[in-house]
Amino acid sequence: QLQLQESGPGLVKPSETLSLTCTVSGGSISSSSYYWGWIRQPPGKGLEWIGSIYYSGSTYYNPSLKSRVTISVDTSKNQFSLKLSSVTAADTAVYYCARHVYDILTGYYIPWDYWGQGTLVTVSS
Amino acid sequence: EIVLTQSPATLSLSPGERATLSCRASQSVSSYLAWYQQKPGQAPRLLIYDASNRATGIPARFSGSGSGTDFTLTISSLEPEDFAVYYCQQRSNWPPSFTFGQGTRLEIK
Repeated sequence: QLQLQESGPGLVKPSETLSLTCTVSGGSISSSSYYWGWIRQPPGKGLEWIGSIYYSGSTYYNPSLKSRVTISVDTSKNQFSLKLSSVTAADTAVYYCARHVYDILTGYYIPWDYWGQGTLVTVSS
Repeated sequence: EIVLTQSPATLSLSPGERATLSCRASQSVSSYLAWYQQKPGQAPRLLIYDASNRATGIPARFSGSGSGTDFTLTISSLEPEDFAVYYCQQRSNWPPSFTFGQGTRLEIK
């Protein structure tokens, strides 16, 4: 059974960089057609896609966050990571890592089917 | 950017009743529409993808319909565990980009 687990600091100061890692177990992050991503949810609010990465390193970001986001992958550790720079209180949220499936050749697509439990990151001095 | 609008914001029903949740897109998303269920303190759970396909392990009482800009999630007979928040989500074709609706809270009447 595929499992995803977020890790990282729960408190970040304003203007600093938020850094989180997602560890994938029960499957390979390098599997063809699997994309890995970050989605966040401010307290009491809805869901916002941050960005996605393929094991090759190809990245896709939410245009509204693109200037501040970097997502990277470490296939040797079966992990991928999120960095969000210049954070403000508006970046306080539960951050989820998740997987979706997309085969470029066939168009086969499954949206976010596996999720981590989420980790709350608070931006405060 | 495609905006998804869900209605109603809150739906109050009793167990055994039928629930109908709506999601409207600001422009056509073809059939690239998914539905998720989220319970307090939990990650969202994929219910429906490509507008009408049930995800693995999802009970048959959940069904999805629609295409283009108007979509519906129907729960045929509510079970106590179905009371939660439901989100719709669309994806662009390529490059991949995703947006979510604001959610519908399904509460016990």
